[in-house]
Amino acid sequence: DGGITQSPKYLFRKEGQNVTLSCEQNLNHDAMYWYRQDPGQGLRLIYYSQIVNDFQKGDIAEGYSVSREKKESFPLTVTSAQKNPTAFYLCASRSGTGQANYGYTFGSGTRLTVV
Amino acid sequence: GQQLNQSPQSMFIQEGEDVSMNCTSSSIFNTWLWYKQEPGEGPVLLIALYKAGELTSNGRLTAQFGITRKDSFLNISASIPSDVGIYFCAGQSGGSRLTFGEGTQLTVNP
Repeated sequence: DGGITQSPKYLFRKEGQNVTLSCEQNLNHDAMYWYRQDPGQGLRLIYYSQIVNDFQKGDIAEGYSVSREKKESFPLTVTSAQKNPTAFYLCASRSGTGQANYGYTFGSGTRLTVV
Repeated sequence: GQQLNQSPQSMFIQEGEDVSMNCTSSSIFNTWLWYKQEPGEGPVLLIALYKAGELTSNGRLTAQFGITRKDSFLNISASIPSDVGIYFCAGQSGGSRLTFGEGTQLTVNP
């Protein structure tokens, strides 16, 4: 079955360490996104990529980095520069064309906790 | 960036009751989407709306794309305990990005 997979589900990081969250999709979607979700808040866009080897900053990109070397993969690195990294991180993808594909498909999320 | 105002923030209802939530924006959107998120999971698309005035149903869910293109509502009829979750609206005005509302937390008491 096609889908979008995030791993790991839970991640613990010590302060000062970088950590990379994985996002893989087999939907042949062109665009991929990373969102951050904090309790009681909506989804805030970190980075997005509309095509391989290209990506743009979202609304809260500081302290994060991404790469898009393959269409299927869009890993997110949370760096030590991110002041408050504890959050629920969601990856999403969308086909590049067609009105019926405007909706995003989301992964099941990674909960990152800084200890 | 664009902002969506979603209300109410939370709802506590009895099983069997109907539910209504809405989103408004100061900007025009070409597409409105409604998602449901269950605890510890990613949001799942419920309904997509593509034309102003469009009314679309998905089982007990009904959503409408406002005539002004600046608002949308979602109704849930005869709620059941598994309707519990966070409901998000999202709008798209062009390009690749969606703008999300802050969500409505729905609790259904059996």
